[in-house]
Amino acid sequence: AQSVTQLGSHVSVSEGALVLLRCNYSSSVPPYLFWYVQYPNQGLQLLLKYTSAATLVKGINGFEAEFKKSETSFHLTKPSAHMSDAAEYFCAVSGTGNTGKLIFGQGTTLQVKP
Amino acid sequence: DTAVSQTPKYLVTQMGNDKSIKCEQNLGHDTMYWYKQDSKKFLKIMFSYNNKELIINETVPNRFSPKSPDKAHLNLHINSLELGDSAVYFCASSQEATNEKLFFGSGTQLSVL
Repeated sequence: AQSVTQLGSHVSVSEGALVLLRCNYSSSVPPYLFWYVQYPNQGLQLLLKYTSAATLVKGINGFEAEFKKSETSFHLTKPSAHMSDAAEYFCAVSGTGNTGKLIFGQGTTLQVKP
Repeated sequence: DTAVSQTPKYLVTQMGNDKSIKCEQNLGHDTMYWYKQDSKKFLKIMFSYNNKELIINETVPNRFSPKSPDKAHLNLHINSLELGDSAVYFCASSQEATNEKLFFGSGTQLSVL
């Protein structure tokens, strides 16, 4: 069965610093992996997705993630944090059966300090 | 013009009541979903409909009944509400059932007293 684990429920960085949000996955089939962001009082929106093409995936708002099969990881990074990046970030893996079902991690709250 | 809209945004009700949450998408997508987010922000899929047909039905109490009158609408009816039903319920849609790019509504915060 597919699952994802996000290491660190809360990450705090200074504005301008590197953002690193960690995600490890477990999957019995080649996975499709996603990062979603949830701003306060809003629904989730897709940041980026990995679907077995390039291992380095670029997303919106300057975020990118690298798929590392040997480490079963899909960590999200951004070189320089902005105050507007403060939000909840969710890693997700696609379930089996091509049903569009996503299995989400527990989420990581990103705090950006001025 | 909101792509996925759900109403109401907030719902406060007593235990034992029956309530409905409505969802509409104007993206022309074939597939719609209901997700539940608990107090620890854990998100879990409940149901998925593709062209009005139920394709995902997770282990959800049968007090929860989704209804899709057409592919642009997916409503969620909950009977005999319990304290544990308190959560944020998100509606989402995707172009097709195999497309995991989901577009989410802004959520309905349900509080059962």
